[in-house]
Amino acid sequence: TQLLEQSPQFLSIQEGENLTVYCNSSSVFSSLQWYRQEPGEGPVLLVTVVTGGEVKKLKRLTFQFGDARKDSSLHITAAQPGDTGLYLCAGESSGGSNYKLTFGKGTLLTVNP
Amino acid sequence: DSGVTQTPKHLITATGQRVTLRCSPRSGDLSVYWYQQSLDQGLQFLIHYYNGEERAKGNILERFSAQQFPDLHSELNLSSLELGDSALYFCASSVEWALTLTNTEAFFGQGTRLTVV
Repeated sequence: TQLLEQSPQFLSIQEGENLTVYCNSSSVFSSLQWYRQEPGEGPVLLVTVVTGGEVKKLKRLTFQFGDARKDSSLHITAAQPGDTGLYLCAGESSGGSNYKLTFGKGTLLTVNP
Repeated sequence: DSGVTQTPKHLITATGQRVTLRCSPRSGDLSVYWYQQSLDQGLQFLIHYYNGEERAKGNILERFSAQQFPDLHSELNLSSLELGDSALYFCASSVEWALTLTNTEAFFGQGTRLTVV
């Protein structure tokens, strides 16, 4: 069973602070995705990282894929209340025709004004 | 709006009953994925269909079944419901059977909140 461990589980910070959340696994994934989910909504894709060591930036968000493609981090600079939400990482794997997108349990981020 | 439509949005039913959740994927998407989300387990992959055929199975109970129809909509059937089946059920769709094949993403619906009483 492939598991994605996300940490921390909960994070409450003040507006303007920086933060990093982590996504770790013992398994190798062909790609890793980060989603944000708001209450009452489905997850929405933020970014996909494919290559080991890859770094992608999306405004104040920086995503990194580990060299071994087993872990990833999301760093947010100068967090804003609008960043509040559940951040989920998801690893894509396929063995022959058995394709899966496995999610971690998420980090619930609250940014206080 | 992701373009993925799930009905109903809310469902309250009694233990032992059977319900059907429906998902209409985005226009042109051939893959449909079903997920169950609960507070303690997070998003759990249930099953994946591509162009009418089952592609992969996850942690789907034998009491649960799904199918994808020729018009590509999908239904998730939950039977002999138990209190522990109460959760959010999400459907997602994508163009291909693997996201990296087309460098695309899975689009999620707003979910069906199932409450078993």
